[in-house]
Amino acid sequence: GAGVSQSPSNKVTEKGKDVELRCDPISGHTALYWYRQRLGQGLEFLIYFQGNSAPDKSGLPSDRFSAERTGESVSTLTIQRTQQEDSAVYLCASSLAFGLAGGGEQETQYFGPGTRLLVL
Amino acid sequence: DAKTTQPTSMDCAEGRAANLPCNHSTISGNEYVYWYRQIHSQGPQYIIHGLKNNETNEMASLIITEDRKSSTLILPHATLRDTAVYYCIVRDNDYKLSFGAGTTVTVRA
Repeated sequence: GAGVSQSPSNKVTEKGKDVELRCDPISGHTALYWYRQRLGQGLEFLIYFQGNSAPDKSGLPSDRFSAERTGESVSTLTIQRTQQEDSAVYLCASSLAFGLAGGGEQETQYFGPGTRLLVL
Repeated sequence: DAKTTQPTSMDCAEGRAANLPCNHSTISGNEYVYWYRQIHSQGPQYIIHGLKNNETNEMASLIITEDRKSSTLILPHATLRDTAVYYCIVRDNDYKLSFGAGTTVTVRA
């Protein structure tokens, strides 16, 4: 079946511009996660959605970052007034469920290919 | 604290089995062992996970020791496309995935 898809795959923008990154989770997955990965570094959690609500926004680096999810499907991560330090790969993942017994099959996170953002 | 330890790198001959070890001596009873891999410039790819029993799927096998303090990921017939960084993690219901340094696996023709 179709996996997690993200668009655009690559984005080059000028400092100060706004960008929108899109994530289409696996159909039927109720939980959706956004991560950031800087070059040569590990995953940095940004935000997750359970349905359309975002109980944990603690990972968003600043108020320039926001995200929304509609219809328990597509999610958009928006970065306003981009800065050079925002350059990274932005990864989206989804899981079938959230907050069950913990760590099992239904909470396995499947990742998309990422959006490579370069801020000049 | 690092929850898992993995060798930094390993080489494997194409067509042979690749055995990737992982130590997780402080694993608790409700934590699963998960394996992901990341091929250069791609998003992380889920491979397999397990709790107590050995697991097998179309990609790999996971062997977990009886005391659960270590495990081995087995790629039965490595191909050049299996060259990647492999991450072993333990998690319960912590949804914030975090990868360590992982094992860089290079499959050679």
